[in-house]
Amino acid sequence: DTEVTQTPKHLVMGMTNKKSLKCEQHMGHRAMYWYKQKAKKPPELMFVYSYEKLSINESVPSRFSPECPNSSLLNLHLHALQPEDSALYLCASKAREGLEPQHFGDGTRLSIL
Amino acid sequence: DQQVKQNSPSLSVQEGRISILNCDYTNSMFDYFLWYKKYPAEGPTFLISISSIKDKNEDGRFTVFLNKSAKHLSLHIVPSQPGDSAVYFCAASPTGGFKTIFGAGTRLFVKA
Repeated sequence: DTEVTQTPKHLVMGMTNKKSLKCEQHMGHRAMYWYKQKAKKPPELMFVYSYEKLSINESVPSRFSPECPNSSLLNLHLHALQPEDSALYLCASKAREGLEPQHFGDGTRLSIL
Repeated sequence: DQQVKQNSPSLSVQEGRISILNCDYTNSMFDYFLWYKKYPAEGPTFLISISSIKDKNEDGRFTVFLNKSAKHLSLHIVPSQPGDSAVYFCAASPTGGFKTIFGAGTRLFVKA
C-alpha cells in the first residue's frame, strides 16, 4: 500500500473541461511534488511545494494550476488541456530538504480527447 | 540535455544470477543518488540510495556502487528473483534543495 494517495486513478476529459487531480499524504512530509510521465520516459518535474508554498515551477503551461491547501493535500487543477497532455501524473512527497528519498503515489492516468 | 543517463533500455537475467544496472550522470553538483523500482500501474518505489561521501551502500540483495571520478553508479541485485522484474530508475539530487533528476529507466526481466 502506498502512503501517498492519488485520486482519481484514471481520468478522461475533453479539451474544454475543467478537472482536478488530488494527492494526499499523512506522513508529515513538508515537500510535495507533481511529476508528469509519458510512456517509456522518466518522470518530469512540474511543481514543488515546500511548507505549503510553491518553490519550483518548471515552466509549466498555465493550463496546469497547482494548489496546496494544507500540508497534507496537493491538488492539480486542469483546464483547456491539449491531447499531448495525456500522461501519467505522479504525486510525491518528501520529509524535508536534503538527502531524503521521495515517496510516490500510484499516479493518475490522464487521457485528453 | 540528459543529466542522468541509463543507456540500457532493457536487461534480461536468469533467476539466481547477478543483475547489474548502470547509470551515468553529468552534473558535478549531484551529491545524492537513488534507485527507484516501478511496476506497471504503480508509482515508483524507493529502493536504495547513496550519498557522495560513500562509494558503496548495501541493503540485503541490493548494493549500489558510486564512482565519482567516472560520474557513474551501478545497482547490483544478487541473487536476482522473478519478482525483481520491473523498470528501475536511477535518480540524482544536487546539494540542498528539493529537485531530483531521473534517468530514462532500465526494464529488467528476470527469467525463472
